[in-house]
Amino acid sequence: GESVGLHLPTLSVQEGDNSIINCAYSNSASDYFIWYKQESGKGPQFIIDIRSNMDKRQGQRVTVLLNKTVKHLSLQIAATQPGDSAVYFCAEGGGGADGLTFGKGTHLIIQP
Amino acid sequence: NAGVMQNPRHLVRRRGQEARLRCSPMKGHSHVYWYRQLPEEGLKFMVYLQKENIIDESGMPKERFSAEFPKEGPSILRIQQVVRGDSAAYFCASSPPSSNEKLFFGSGTQLSVL
Repeated sequence: GESVGLHLPTLSVQEGDNSIINCAYSNSASDYFIWYKQESGKGPQFIIDIRSNMDKRQGQRVTVLLNKTVKHLSLQIAATQPGDSAVYFCAEGGGGADGLTFGKGTHLIIQP
Repeated sequence: NAGVMQNPRHLVRRRGQEARLRCSPMKGHSHVYWYRQLPEEGLKFMVYLQKENIIDESGMPKERFSAEFPKEGPSILRIQQVVRGDSAAYFCASSPPSSNEKLFFGSGTQLSVL
């Protein structure tokens, strides 16, 4: 079946560097995409979302890029901080399904 | 503004017992979703409910699992005759009536079956 997946399970970056977390999706009917951050022992926390009629959206220190041609989504975090350590999930919505379909997640590790 | 409230945070049950997980959505939200998460895994959709209605239960196991969202009170995810494979984190999320896309999650209930 169709699903949302991630390229790398773990990403290690130096504090202060920029982080890029990637996500591939396969449901071409999905029209809404969202990134969540999940810290250990906590529920997913909304970071940023984007609709399929856009290819870029910026938030505070975060940018989401959407490439519909290759069905690719990325999350860029500028000047990564220790508090950014978490598992990051992309999820897709719309496409006829209720709720969101989640990928497995990427564990972001910040090195001092 | 209270967020999505789930209780208990941790629930320990022996095989064969029943587990009842509760979720109160954010104020003003009328859509509730339940997801299950295994260690090092993503969240798997289980069920989507509105007040007094099950809208989509395509992710629910056919047996032992049930969910409700009554007119008054929290949403309940009920697991009968639990088995060790039911051990997981169960997350509830809610969304406002105008959208079923941006979900707000609770802190989850960690179910451990001995």
